[in-house]
Amino acid sequence: GAGVSQSPSNKVTEKGKDVELRCDPISGHTALYWYRQSLGQGLEFLIYFQGNSAPDKSGLPSDRFSAERTGGSVSTLTIQRTQQEDSAVYLCASSLVFNEKLFFGSGTQLSVL
Amino acid sequence: SQQGEEDPQALSIQEGENATMNCSYKTSINNLQWYRQNSGRGLVHLILIRSNEREKHSGRLRVTLDTSKKSSSLLITASRAADTASYFCATEETSGSRLTFGEGTQLTVNP
Repeated sequence: GAGVSQSPSNKVTEKGKDVELRCDPISGHTALYWYRQSLGQGLEFLIYFQGNSAPDKSGLPSDRFSAERTGGSVSTLTIQRTQQEDSAVYLCASSLVFNEKLFFGSGTQLSVL
Repeated sequence: SQQGEEDPQALSIQEGENATMNCSYKTSINNLQWYRQNSGRGLVHLILIRSNEREKHSGRLRVTLDTSKKSSSLLITASRAADTASYFCATEETSGSRLTFGEGTQLTVNP
């Protein structure tokens, strides 16, 4: 596609439910990143992939969070047993060169009621 | 903790004026990047400056990097109302692998 695509754009869920967020990066970009942004705040690093491998998972806030990437393309971020503090915009980005010139998707606004 | 910290947190200027934002960081870096965010959604890459560079230009943007002071500045000349956005610096530490973003500067350009 022309840009990084994220779905859904908005997700409202009840506390305790599981959610799955999807990111479709720019074709050919080997590096993929997930960040989280709370209202009016900066970006909090969650995880990055180089190909299908995630060398640094220490940014994930808890063991309720997991992410995977298959075929060097689409990535999913899964949050199990959602809590209200998980409410935020989840941003995905991809790049051709690692950590340079990231292209961001429009994000998924997650609201946990 | 955040590697980069922008200053000021908010800046309001008139159209046509110049806007200067600063970013300070704590550890040695490979590069520093500036991004713009409109309406709290996706960020757009503006410019990248490497640790061995001191100044870089792109259109109305001018970025400087002072590695001895661990700081960078972003200058937007002849600002326009469309420049209204949040601006973030991002750093890649030499010792780490993450690209870390600061808290951002909210720029408002009044017509």
